[in-house]
Amino acid sequence: QQQVKQSPQSLIVQKGGISIINCAYENTAFDYFPWYQQFPGKGPALLIAIRPDVSEKKEGRFTISFNKSAKQFSLHIMDSQPGDSATYFCAASRKSGYSTLTFGKGTMLLVSP
Amino acid sequence: DTEVTQTPKHLVMGMTNKKSLKCEQHMGHRAMYWYKQKAKKPPELMFVYSYEKLSINESVPSRFSPECPNSSLLNLHLHALQPEDSALYLCASSQGSQGSYNEQFFGPGTRLTVL
Repeated sequence: QQQVKQSPQSLIVQKGGISIINCAYENTAFDYFPWYQQFPGKGPALLIAIRPDVSEKKEGRFTISFNKSAKQFSLHIMDSQPGDSATYFCAASRKSGYSTLTFGKGTMLLVSP
Repeated sequence: DTEVTQTPKHLVMGMTNKKSLKCEQHMGHRAMYWYKQKAKKPPELMFVYSYEKLSINESVPSRFSPECPNSSLLNLHLHALQPEDSALYLCASSQGSQGSYNEQFFGPGTRLTVL
């Protein structure tokens, strides 16, 4: 019940296209859903996050869509750029002082020029 | 400022060496974390400190010894490591107060190679 399932494992998108990464969770106690972007040899960077009281959050070209009833959330990258090529991890957590993050297995995104 | 710093960036050590990894944050966060990350895998939680007290130890071998000298610093002492311990070691911090969301900020990591 602690798992977060992420798909696809890898994704190739043409420059200017839309990248979509999906995650699903089981634990209904989760109430915070961040996405992290990680470049090779670097630490994960918090990209965008959503709480279950909203169905969508947008920051620039990045949008999270959240479906509480289906227990699914997704990251959409509009107008994908070669600089977006990285590994993306979804995660889920309970609201707590130091609750652990449960990560998906990651998606390697390659945006071709 | 949402910066978490880690030193060193790279570390090569033999199996009999003793070394330490250091992490620092000045965001006033009261929760700090150590993660281990293998290639093409998500970060794997090792330890959590909350208000300078060890709160979570994810059954990590005793050759890894964490220390939290104060609310801004976190160390990871390494001794008698094995080659399979080679990985990217990440530090993270979050606000850590009750009722706060678990918004964790990661450092750049230390790339550890055990020979």
